[in-house]
Amino acid sequence: DIQMTQSPSTLSASVGDRVTITCRASQSISSSLAWYQQKPGKAPNLLIYKESTLERGVPLRFSGGGSGTEFTLTISSLQPDDFATYYCQQYQSFLYTFGQGTKLELK
Amino acid sequence: EVQLVESGGGLVKPGESLRLSCAASGSTFSCCTMNWVRQAPGKGLEWVSSITSSSNYMFYADSVKGRFTVSRDNARNSLYLQMNSLKADDTAVYYCVRMGNAFDIWGQGTTVTVSS
Repeated sequence: DIQMTQSPSTLSASVGDRVTITCRASQSISSSLAWYQQKPGKAPNLLIYKESTLERGVPLRFSGGGSGTEFTLTISSLQPDDFATYYCQQYQSFLYTFGQGTKLELK
Repeated sequence: EVQLVESGGGLVKPGESLRLSCAASGSTFSCCTMNWVRQAPGKGLEWVSSITSSSNYMFYADSVKGRFTVSRDNARNSLYLQMNSLKADDTAVYYCVRMGNAFDIWGQGTTVTVSS
C-alpha cells in the first residue's frame, strides 16, 4: 500500500501569511494527488486534484505543486475562512490513502 | 450536479451488523467509481471501500476486508455498505463519495457507533 505522510501536523499562522503544507508518498504516484479542506462537523471539500488543478470555485490563493513523491499545498495569503484541517490523498492505486492531516490554526 | 445522502447509521453492539445506504440525486451516478470514507471521532480520514461504475471491481481497506461488502444499484442511483462483525474501532462518521475529479462530491455523512 502507498503511505502518505503530511507535515506539519499543526501549523500556526496569521491572516495574510503565506503557508505551505507538504505531503510525501512512499512511492511514486505520478500526479495522482488531491488536497481537501475540512471544517469541524463538515464533510471534506476538494480543493486541488491532479497535483495542481484547482477544483471549480476554489480561490486562486490555493495552489498545488510537486511531482512523483513530494507535493505541496500553498495558500498565498491566508484568509479567516482558511483556518481548517487539510488532507492530501493519493489516487494512483485503488487502495486510496490519505495523509494524517494538517490543522491550520490562528496564531 | 450530483448530491449524495447517506442513511442507515446508528448505535449497535460489537459483533452486530449494519447496512449503510447512499442515495444519489442529480446528474449521472452510474458514470463513476463510488467510495466509502470514514472518520473516527477526532481522527483523520480513512478510505474504506470502492466500487467501480459497473460493479466489476470492489476494493477494501485491510481494516474491513472480509467484514464489509460494498454494492451499488445504478438503476436506483444507490450505493450500499454492508457491515458485519462490527467492532468498536468501526465507530466513525461514514461518508459516501463520488470519484470524479478525485473525490469531488461528498455526502454529509452518517454516524455509526459500536458500543456495548
